[in-house]
Parts: sequence; C-alpha cells; structure tokens
Amino acid sequence: EPEVTQTPSHQVTQMGQEVILRCVPISNHLYFYWYRQILGQKVEFLVSFYNNEISEKSEIFDDQFSVERPDGSNFTLKIRSTKLEDSAMYFCASRGRLELSSYNEQFFGPGTRLTVL
Amino acid sequence: AQSVTQPDIHITVSEGASLELRCNYSYGATPYLFWYVQSPGQGLQLLLKYFSGDTLVQGIKGFEAEFKRSQSSFNLRKPSVHWSDAAEYFCAVAVKAAGNKLTFGGGTRVLVKP
Repeated sequence: EPEVTQTPSHQVTQMGQEVILRCVPISNHLYFYWYRQILGQKVEFLVSFYNNEISEKSEIFDDQFSVERPDGSNFTLKIRSTKLEDSAMYFCASRGRLELSSYNEQFFGPGTRLTVL
Repeated sequence: AQSVTQPDIHITVSEGASLELRCNYSYGATPYLFWYVQSPGQGLQLLLKYFSGDTLVQGIKGFEAEFKRSQSSFNLRKPSVHWSDAAEYFCAVAVKAAGNKLTFGGGTRVLVKP
C-alpha cells in the first residue's frame, strides 16, 4: 500500500541553524501539507501546497519557513534559522486527485522529530 | 474559522469496558470529520472518517463514530477496550472551502486499567 515517508526521523540542530525536513508524498497525490505538534500539544496546520505554490499558510508559518517541491517526488519544509520553540514533531501529509474515492482524506507520514538546542 | 473541542483531556477505562470519546466542532456547515489515534512517539493513524451519508461510521480496530448534526458532535465509541487501545485520540475536521486543511482538537489521552 502506498505511504507517505519522511526523513530524517529525528533531527537535532543548534539554534540559528537551517534545517530541511523531507517528505515523499504518495506518488499520484496533488495536495501537500505540513503540520506541527509541539510535545504534549495538539497538531497544528502549517501550510498547504498545490500546483507548485502555497495555497494557505497559518500564522505560525512566518518568513523563517519555506516549502518546496524541487522535483516530482519530494516535498520539503525549510526552517532558515531555528529557534528553541521550533522543537516539535513535524508531519507531512498528502491528498489525492478529485477522481479518487479518498480525495478528501489526508495521508500522514510518520513524522520528523526536530530538537533545537 | 472552524474549531474542534474535545472536552476530556484524560479518560481512564478498565480493559473490557466500553469507551466513548467526545468531540464537538464549530462550523457553519457540515465539515469532513475524522478521528486519529497516536501512540506515544508515533505518527497519526486514521481510525475513521465521515464525509456524508450514514451518520454511523465504522472504522478500524473495532471503533465507530456517530455524527449528530443537531449537536455538532462526532463521538467515538468502542464497546470493549483492549490494553492496546491506550493512546491519544484526536478528532479533526476539514473544510473544502479551506483547502481541506485539518483542524485538530486538543486530544484525549486514554489509559487502560487491567
């Protein structure tokens, strides 16, 4: 069964460093999302991406964040200068084409745990 | 904007007993509704979803949920809980007009007593 994959599973970085979190969505999906979950808190929407551009972003997604789909398979989240409060689990999700029965369902990856020291 | 409330932060239940987790949403129309489960340190697993039609939906692991439009609720139930059901459960809604982004509730942590 196709699945969303994310790398790395755990990333440790120093405050102020840049990090890139990688996701490989399901291959025929068109809509891509990043969510964040700070330890012990709920999952929060960061950004959605469709047709090579951002569809919507939350107020969390400030100028330090960017997303990119550099090729036909990867979907990345970059944090330019990490802060302590960026420590969280980051989930990637993807959603399929209109003609799929699962069109309204997002499929989640296993997450990347980011620790900023 | 849509919002989701899970009134119970923690629930403790004995193994074999029934379980009900509450979820209320706020939105002008009927959104798409989901329940996810998260085991410690793990990702999100979809238990079940409601888009339209029959208001009682069946999911994986013996879970079911009932959509009640009049109460703006989508409560999750399981008739007999197993120790492996100990986890955190998140209710979420998505709205087509908002690009189907998911809005999650705060979660309910379920502890199972032997």
